[in-house]
Amino acid sequence: EVQLVESGGGLVQPGGSLRLSCVASGFTFSNYVMSWVRQAPGKGLEWVSSISKSAGNTFFADSVKGRFTIHRDNSGNTLSLVLNSLRADDTAVYYCAKDRSDDSSGYDSWGQGTLVTVSS
Amino acid sequence: DIQMTQSPSSLSASVGDRVTITCRASQTISRYLNWYQQRPGKAPKLLIYAASTLESGVPSRFSGSGSGTDFTLTISSLQPEDFATYYCQQSYSNFWTFGQGTKVEIK
Repeated sequence: EVQLVESGGGLVQPGGSLRLSCVASGFTFSNYVMSWVRQAPGKGLEWVSSISKSAGNTFFADSVKGRFTIHRDNSGNTLSLVLNSLRADDTAVYYCAKDRSDDSSGYDSWGQGTLVTVSS
Repeated sequence: DIQMTQSPSSLSASVGDRVTITCRASQTISRYLNWYQQRPGKAPKLLIYAASTLESGVPSRFSGSGSGTDFTLTISSLQPEDFATYYCQQSYSNFWTFGQGTKVEIK
């Protein structure tokens, strides 16, 4: 059974930093592109970032480019998102998500999410 | 970036109703269109990928169609567990954008 378990969320002041982690199990982690998707309270889904299987390519939404970085450790089956220069509008539940396959056919597995709250 | 626009933003329907949700892309995306269901407090669930392929385990009352810029999600006979928010997502570009969501409520 595929499992994705996020951690690292919490309350942080504006301008602060946070590192989110997602531990994967039940599949060969290194064979899949992985992504982060967020959802602000009461709002829709927003794609944040993706990382290729070998970590050679990373992609970011314009709203987080230059402030967030994405990493993966294929030996430890872990995906990370480092959030810097946090703003109030970064407040959201952050989900890690696994690509269904190599043919850009959506995310077939999601974690339970971790809540990031940016507030003074 | 490719913008995705869903309509309607919300709808009210009864159990047994046929429901259709539309999604329009700001540029052609071939058939790189996915649909998700999200229940309150839960992670999204993939329903349909590649515009019309049903994900394993998803009931056959769900169907998808379309290509290019215009797509639809249809629920042939709404069930109590289908009251949720539905999102389309394009996976054509490197930046997989979502529609704003359609909330399906009980009439």
